[in-house]
Amino acid sequence: GAVVSQHPSRVICKSGTSVKIECRSLDFQATTMFWYRQFPKQSLMLMATSNEGSKATYEQGVEKDKFLINHASLTLSTLTVTSAHPEDSSFYICSASGGYLYEQFFGPGTRLTVL
Amino acid sequence: AQSVAQPEDQVNVAEGNPLTVKCTYSVSGNPYLFWYVQYPNRGLQFLLKYITGDNLVKGSYGFEAEFNKSQTSFHLKKPSALVSDSALYFCAVSPRVGSARQLTFGSGTQLTVLP
Repeated sequence: GAVVSQHPSRVICKSGTSVKIECRSLDFQATTMFWYRQFPKQSLMLMATSNEGSKATYEQGVEKDKFLINHASLTLSTLTVTSAHPEDSSFYICSASGGYLYEQFFGPGTRLTVL
Repeated sequence: AQSVAQPEDQVNVAEGNPLTVKCTYSVSGNPYLFWYVQYPNRGLQFLLKYITGDNLVKGSYGFEAEFNKSQTSFHLKKPSALVSDSALYFCAVSPRVGSARQLTFGSGTQLTVLP
């Protein structure tokens, strides 16, 4: 099956700093990538949908200036959490979909802890 | 709007016994249906999907699910549970139309298989 990687798997940062998370599709071209946020023992909350070469579409309540998403190539999307605060601490998961692939393939997730 | 309901937050079953994790959905038209499993601090792993055809879908690790259109259900089943099946299970639905193929997840069911 299609493989999606995320980097880093775990990051700890100080409040006020920015953190970038990468999501890569390793063996297929991802025309669409999705970013989710998950709180402990809860479901995945869709944050935004990004199509290669265009601006991301954010879900209601998600601050686009705080969570910057870039999808500059068919294999890479990045999520930058700007001026991170402790309440941004969460598990962030990306997924990718493309071409004839009608389903999403998920990355392993990134655990962000903001001190 | 589409929605997914997993009515049980927690399911406990003894090892060797059959297990069922329930899922019902609400969507216009015929959806794509998915089951994913998540282990602690990991991303989602794909188990199985229903696209079309046979209502009984067989997936990874001995899991299967039955699509019931009249009851709008897609319950996950396994004939004989293993302790290693203990994890968080998510049902998800995606529309057949639209390039974004957005997934809507249920709230998740924590499965615990007791030795």
